[in-house]
Amino acid sequence: AQSVTQLGSHVSVSEGALVLLRCNYSSSVPPYLFWYVQYPNQGLQLLLKYTSAATLVKGINGFEAEFKKSETSFHLTKPSAHMSDAAEYFCAVGPSSNTGKLIFGQGTTLQVKP
Amino acid sequence: NAGVTQTPKFRILKIGQSMTLQCAQDMNHNYMYWYRQDPGMGLKLIYYSVGAGITDKGEVPNGYNVSRSTTEDFPLRLELAAPSQTSVYFCASSYPISGFPGELFFGEGSRLTVL
Repeated sequence: AQSVTQLGSHVSVSEGALVLLRCNYSSSVPPYLFWYVQYPNQGLQLLLKYTSAATLVKGINGFEAEFKKSETSFHLTKPSAHMSDAAEYFCAVGPSSNTGKLIFGQGTTLQVKP
Repeated sequence: NAGVTQTPKFRILKIGQSMTLQCAQDMNHNYMYWYRQDPGMGLKLIYYSVGAGITDKGEVPNGYNVSRSTTEDFPLRLELAAPSQTSVYFCASSYPISGFPGELFFGEGSRLTVL
């Protein structure tokens, strides 16, 4: 079975500070990993995805994530937070393509203070 | 390109009523999904479909039904609504390729309140 745990339901940073959102996964098979962002009253949008091609994955809006197999982690980072980054972020793990299903973490709300 | 379209966006139901949440996608994706989102719980998979005529249960299927008669449409039926079904419902679609679970494209959500 696969599962995802996001550490911290709320993270608050100052504008310009480093953003670090933590995600740990459990998977008995090589995982596919995703980060999605949800702005208020909207659906989820893909930020980035890990598909085993490279351990450091760059996404949209300056975000990146590093796959660390030894730590079973896929933490999301951004060097400098912007007010527009305030949103809810979801980490997800995927099984093989015969179902395409994703298992989502509980979500982390990012607050950016001026 | 509309992507994934969900209707209605908001609905209030009384306990015991039934309704259908509509979902349509115009990307010719074979795979479609219904998730529900509750505060602090992330998204839970209700039902999914890997193609027209094929559906299967997810993590939390009780109280719901689906059908998939066409590639484009994947309606979610709520029978005998209960307060526990108060949630935000998201429909999504994807097109997995060569062993890689493709990106999920989400609709904007349907907010349902059962009173």
